[in-house]
Amino acid sequence: NAGVMQNPRHLVRRRGQEARLRCSPMKGHSHVYWYRQLPEEGLKFMVYLQKENIIDESGMPKERFSAEFPKEGPSILRIQQVVRGDSAAYFCASSPWHTGQSGNTIYFGEGSWLTVV
Amino acid sequence: TQLLEQSPQFLSIQEGENLTVYCNSSSVFSSLQWYRQEPGEGPVLLVTVVTGGEVKKLKRLTFQFGDARKDSSLHITAAQPGDTGLYLCAGYLRGGNKLVFGAGTILRVKS
Repeated sequence: NAGVMQNPRHLVRRRGQEARLRCSPMKGHSHVYWYRQLPEEGLKFMVYLQKENIIDESGMPKERFSAEFPKEGPSILRIQQVVRGDSAAYFCASSPWHTGQSGNTIYFGEGSWLTVV
Repeated sequence: TQLLEQSPQFLSIQEGENLTVYCNSSSVFSSLQWYRQEPGEGPVLLVTVVTGGEVKKLKRLTFQFGDARKDSSLHITAAQPGDTGLYLCAGYLRGGNKLVFGAGTILRVKS
């Protein structure tokens, strides 16, 4: 896990506020993945980004959620007008190249825990 | 519906016992991975299996990938309290570009 940095680790937001979660991939990694995890459940894929491009956003809710990975700086997962159901752990992972069939490892960060009150 | 079905969902055993966790699918995977996750932390990769029928050992842990690459198992010998955690299987479907996770197995080993 060392190397993929996520912040904040814990975030509390009131309903209707915005949440911004940041992810700095490991050095040299240009592929970033975001996952969401509900308590004691597996991780659900949200979005896969490469620098400045969204490659696969099939797991992203259609509204209120967006993600970016700019040329410079961390990847950002943004949740607008949060609701209680958005409370979860959000994990970022990175890889140096597209994984897929090669089975290459992706490296996970420690996660950001969002609580909506 | 889960692409990867893990069983059991929850397992509570005594220290020293053996256990097996299963990960099954009707789909073929190009590779499968097993992770262990502790509360408040991210998942940590234990092993990757890529060849049908492959068996890998990591100390007291034995991982197997089914011949048809649709299932996998994790066997722990002489479990210890330190093995407690959430065990997740995950894999890449053939032609897929994202890692798909099972729902996980919560293991508690009592001393």
